Amino acid sequence: GQQVMQIPQYQHVQEGEDFTTYCNSSTTLSNIQWYKQRPGGHPVFLIQLVKSGEVKKQKRLTFQFGEAKKNSSLHITATQTTDVGTYFCAGSWASGGSYIPTFGRGTSLIVHP
Amino acid sequence: DTEVTQTPKHLVMGMTNKKSLKCEQHMGHRAMYWYKQKAKKPPELMFVYSYEKLSINESVPSRFSPECPNSSLLNLHLHALQPEDSALYLCASSQYTYNEQFFGPGTRLTVL
Repeated sequence: GQQVMQIPQYQHVQEGEDFTTYCNSSTTLSNIQWYKQRPGGHPVFLIQLVKSGEVKKQKRLTFQFGEAKKNSSLHITATQTTDVGTYFCAGSWASGGSYIPTFGRGTSLIVHP
Repeated sequence: DTEVTQTPKHLVMGMTNKKSLKCEQHMGHRAMYWYKQKAKKPPELMFVYSYEKLSINESVPSRFSPECPNSSLLNLHLHALQPEDSALYLCASSQYTYNEQFFGPGTRLTVL
């Protein structure tokens, strides 16, 4: 089946440093979603990107969708301890019209105060 | 109401027990999902219901049996589970399958 590769698996940062996680698909995506899961919690939707080259911002978070719609990134500026958690991308393809997203393996962000 | 609720929060069962997990949403969403999540792993899709009909079964063993009684409710019936089935079971819903998903808090299942 189709997969979304996500790196890195873990990222340790000092509070105030920046953080980036990357997702990549070998085939063109229809859209990509990003979710955050806090330790002991459940995934919470952050954003959906649909258009080629799209860039969206949410406060300190910047989301990008590549021009070829095969890759995406999430960048956090000046991390805070509240950013701790696992960030998942979830890519969708138009196969069979279902658009069911497939989750990447996630990037766990650890912020040291 | 923008919430997906799941009951119970925790469940411990023996390998011969029969139990059910319940999920409910009142957002008018037409797609509902069951996921299994092991520690430090991404959610693993099990079943998808679209317009109350099972549209995807990701080759899940028959000891897991989903049911969608109506557009707001989703059940997962469990029977003769194995210890390796211990995991967090997440329910999610979305307006349609290409929309963002809203996850419930999950049921943490332990099979003894």
